[in-house]
Amino acid sequence: QSDLTQPASVSGSPGQSITISCTGSINDVGSYRYVCWYQQYPGKAPKLVIYDVSRRPSGISDRFSGSKSGNTASLTISSLQPEDEADYFCSSWTTSSTWLFGGGTKVTVL
Amino acid sequence: QLQLQQSGPGLVKPSETLSLTCTVSGASMTSTNFYWGWIRQSPGKGLEWIGNVLFNGDTSYNPSLKSRVSMSVDTSKKHFSLKLNSVTAADTAVYYCARHVGLYDSSGYHLYFDYWGQGVLVTVSS
Repeated sequence: QSDLTQPASVSGSPGQSITISCTGSINDVGSYRYVCWYQQYPGKAPKLVIYDVSRRPSGISDRFSGSKSGNTASLTISSLQPEDEADYFCSSWTTSSTWLFGGGTKVTVL
Repeated sequence: QLQLQQSGPGLVKPSETLSLTCTVSGASMTSTNFYWGWIRQSPGKGLEWIGNVLFNGDTSYNPSLKSRVSMSVDTSKKHFSLKLNSVTAADTAVYYCARHVGLYDSSGYHLYFDYWGQGVLVTVSS
């Protein structure tokens, strides 16, 4: 199975909204609501920011939101803040009962 | 608060076996709601799921690594382990352990990794 496809980089100015896409197939993103997004700072472990396509864990800002349409999931960060500058990875459960991850998107706050 | 502490050598020779351990504190390991997983990240690249192990020893592995991977759990010592044999330079990566949640609640069934270890860089080199 191939990795999920994410753009290599996305940028925005403080206060703006950005959206990161995550494209899979009918065998993963298209079949389940088990899509997650992780935020990772350099040298640190990933941190869960979205699960079940659109649910936020306790303590995660409501500026983070998720959605899905067909085989593509999306993460939107609204009111972009300097601390949002990080790498973001999507993941999806698959019909083979495995996890697939995306290649990651570097978010830059201009 | 759950914490995962990883340990293991940072350097492994080609063709040898990579061995890592993850010690769990602050939570029970013996719940069917939680698997214990391993994920790796090659330098400058994305994440790759290696596999999960349940407290009773049930495992699920990434098919691409299945022939070389084994995972185990020791609930009395509150740790779980990863072994990857016949390593090559392509196995050089930061290896993370993580708790894999799979549970039902009032809003349905949920699957995700919530707590992660600090990561250990394992370099395969002679």
